Amino acid sequence: DTGVSQDPRHKITKRGQNVTFRCDPISEHNRLYWYRQTLGQGPEFLTYFQNEAQLEKSRLLSDRFSAERPKGSFSTLEIQRTEQGDSAMYLCASLAENEQFFGPGTRLTVL
Amino acid sequence: QKEVEQDPGPLSVPEGAIVSLNCTYSNSAFQYFMWYRQYSRKGPELLMYTYSSGNKEDGRFTAQVDKSSKYISLFIRDSQPSDSATYLCAGAFPFTGNQFYFGTGTSLTVIP
Repeated sequence: DTGVSQDPRHKITKRGQNVTFRCDPISEHNRLYWYRQTLGQGPEFLTYFQNEAQLEKSRLLSDRFSAERPKGSFSTLEIQRTEQGDSAMYLCASLAENEQFFGPGTRLTVL
Repeated sequence: QKEVEQDPGPLSVPEGAIVSLNCTYSNSAFQYFMWYRQYSRKGPELLMYTYSSGNKEDGRFTAQVDKSSKYISLFIRDSQPSDSATYLCAGAFPFTGNQFYFGTGTSLTVIP
């Protein structure tokens, strides 16, 4: 499969725990995006990378959230001290020629 | 006001019908417009991508952009039950690398 992959697909955690998600973009795509999607809403932008540089962050990305893309390939999104309001689908996408391709998402449930 | 507005539906049509899905946007600087299909609990799948105004056709799908009225549409001909999904529209600025602004999605059900 040469598409965008995300791991894990589902994560259930208790409030206060830390979680980390991984995204592997399409190999030749140097731009990588993270979005959050809640039920009945469209994806909301969180942050994006061009190669290893994080170029933009949304105000939705509080201090508890951090994203990295250390070698310009895969990316990780970490949420510290999770809250129930963090429950959502976290989507990763990579971009080529203005066409953005999404991964299957990681569904996070915070109990 | 959200950058992209979309009627959430739900929309229900009989198999074989022509479906019209619509969005409006507020930022006249948008130049790129996308339609995505999203099945339940899956990631969005890119259907159509258009630049500036005009029409683009791909099989049973036609995307239309009217920049004068800030209106974007997706038409589905000969709708099939497998088209049942949520359809998301999105707009983006005229340079690569920036974020995409999504509507809330329209839920479509095609009844056999």
